[in-house]
Amino acid sequence: QKEVEQNSGPLSVPEGAIASLNCTYSDRGSQSFFWYRQYSGKSPELIMFIYSNGDKEDGRFTAQLNKASQYVSLLIRDSQPSDSATYLCAVNMGYGGATNKLIFGTGTLLAVQP
Amino acid sequence: DAGVTQSPTHLIKTRGQQVTLRCSPKSGHDTVSWYQQALGQGPQFIFQYYEEEERQRGNFPDRFSGHQFPNYSSELNVNALLLGDSALYLCASSLASGRLYNEQFFGPGTRLTVL
Repeated sequence: QKEVEQNSGPLSVPEGAIASLNCTYSDRGSQSFFWYRQYSGKSPELIMFIYSNGDKEDGRFTAQLNKASQYVSLLIRDSQPSDSATYLCAVNMGYGGATNKLIFGTGTLLAVQP
Repeated sequence: DAGVTQSPTHLIKTRGQQVTLRCSPKSGHDTVSWYQQALGQGPQFIFQYYEEEERQRGNFPDRFSGHQFPNYSSELNVNALLLGDSALYLCASSLASGRLYNEQFFGPGTRLTVL
């Protein structure tokens, strides 16, 4: 079992729709979770992080965390063609401070159709 | 506010050679982590440097080594290059704290091709 799993996609949604990206993780002790966006040929860009159960909203983005189910998701409202990218889920497998390390999933390719 | 910088942008080497990649963290950050990203994969953690010491290491052989300087910048060295070392090498900087959610910010990466 992989430590962090994502559906590789592609996930295709029409412009203006809600895109839902999902991620599961294996380490029940994981404490914090990150979503990165990566455009083709570029480096990952941090979108948001979450560490408490429930929802966290930032503009058009909402991160959802369910530690009991070991599940984290990212919702993108009013999807735009510029949102087309690979979305990487990352789990902090460290213990905070200077010892945190991120374990990434393989990413989900999102394609927003105009 | 200067972000994370890496050099060089691209590098072509042959098998058996050695390579050094460089990273300067975001202003105010003191921790540098290195990741390897193969095509179509997520980044894989190589190691992390804080206070000029390697603090954590991923599942990479000893051919991969690093260093952190007093100004927090860092180098990644790879010896005896293999074809499989061809990848995008990413540096991420963060600020050490007692929190569990230290954000890591990535540099633009160095694309290494081994022929």
